[in-house]
Amino acid sequence: AQSVAQPEDQVNVAEGNPLTVKCTYSVSGNPYLFWYVQYPNRGLQFLLKYITGDNLVKGSYGFEAEFNKSQTSFHLKKPSALVSDSALYFCAVRDAGTYKYIFGTGTRLKVLA
Amino acid sequence: EPEVTQTPSHQVTQMGQEVILRCVPISNHLYFYWYRQILGQKVEFLVSFYNNEISEKSEIFDDQFSVERPDGSNFTLKIRSTKLEDSAMYFCASRNRDEWNTGELFFGEGSRLTVL
Repeated sequence: AQSVAQPEDQVNVAEGNPLTVKCTYSVSGNPYLFWYVQYPNRGLQFLLKYITGDNLVKGSYGFEAEFNKSQTSFHLKKPSALVSDSALYFCAVRDAGTYKYIFGTGTRLKVLA
Repeated sequence: EPEVTQTPSHQVTQMGQEVILRCVPISNHLYFYWYRQILGQKVEFLVSFYNNEISEKSEIFDDQFSVERPDGSNFTLKIRSTKLEDSAMYFCASRNRDEWNTGELFFGEGSRLTVL
């Protein structure tokens, strides 16, 4: 069975500082990994994905994520946080052999001015 | 930019009533999904639909739930007899089939269901 964990309910970071939002996963086969962002009363917006290849993937709005197979992690990062990055972030995993995407419990990012 | 559209944006219903939530996926997408989110928290998988049939479903998706793609554009979720615990935001999502079948989901803005 596939699963994904986001160990932090909330992450606070000062504007201009680097941010990291953590995600670990568990699948039986090859993982497809995704990050989404949700603003209040909105749907989920795709940020980036890892399918294969380079472990560092770049996505929208300056976000990037690093795939680490040995640690089964896929942490979201950004070198310099903006107040407008404040939102709810979801990590998701899909096992290559299935249709369903499993989402983590979400991490609320708060960027302080 | 193409988008997934959902109606209604908010529906209030009495316990025991039937509800139909509607979605228009992106036109060239082939895989369709319903998720729900309770109180702005965890996003829970309900069902996936491909080639006019359910491909996977979760334990939440019991006999009270059904999905349909009646006319090649709409994708609906029906809850036959709503319960209080069905109150949630329901998200429709779709994706295309790319070369490696690894596409991301595109989500609608959601339909908020309130069961009284």
